[in-house]
Amino acid sequence: SQTIHQWPATLVQPVGSPLSLECTVEGTSNPNLYWYRQAAGRGLQLLFYSVGIGQISSEVPQNLSASRPQDRQFILSSKKLLLSDSGFYLCAWSWTDYEQYFGPGTRLTVT
Amino acid sequence: DQQVKQNSPSLSVQEGRISILNCDYTNSMFDYFLWYKKYPAEGPTFLISISSIKDKNEDGRFTVFLNKSAKHLSLHIVPSQPGDSAVYFCAASSSGNTPLVFGKGTRLSVIA
Repeated sequence: SQTIHQWPATLVQPVGSPLSLECTVEGTSNPNLYWYRQAAGRGLQLLFYSVGIGQISSEVPQNLSASRPQDRQFILSSKKLLLSDSGFYLCAWSWTDYEQYFGPGTRLTVT
Repeated sequence: DQQVKQNSPSLSVQEGRISILNCDYTNSMFDYFLWYKKYPAEGPTFLISISSIKDKNEDGRFTVFLNKSAKHLSLHIVPSQPGDSAVYFCAASSSGNTPLVFGKGTRLSVIA
């Protein structure tokens, strides 16, 4: 069976500090991978998605970036965090763009 | 421009009664619709889906109805249970070739 891991579960970072969130998927190969952010009252906002190694599509302009160095690894990064980057970050995978399966999420608080 | 809209941010229902969550969409190219359930501090979990070739799909206590002419779908939960209290997201896709588009969610509270 497939499992998806995210870490860390919670993170408190000062404004201006860098960010690296990691997501890995087990039990499947060549999945589509996604990063979402859930901010208060704003639903699920798609940030990035990837259909293969090194292939990243950005949905929303921001100071975040994503990379996929390996088939089942998806990393969300920032060089300098803003207060507005606070939120609940979710990684997801799918074989198609139908059912997506989400990880447990990372709660990021920028202070 | 919001392509998937959940106009009710919250809904409160008595235990044992029916919960009806609504979702509207604007993109006529959407051909697959999904509902996700999300508890606080957890990732959303897939609940039920429906293809545009159907108008109803049922799975236990959960039924999704699709009205293509009205571009409207709804999720019915019968009977509602306290454990159903969560945020429910509606999502839509176009032929599986584009990422899911999510609504903003409806918070369901089932009162015992």
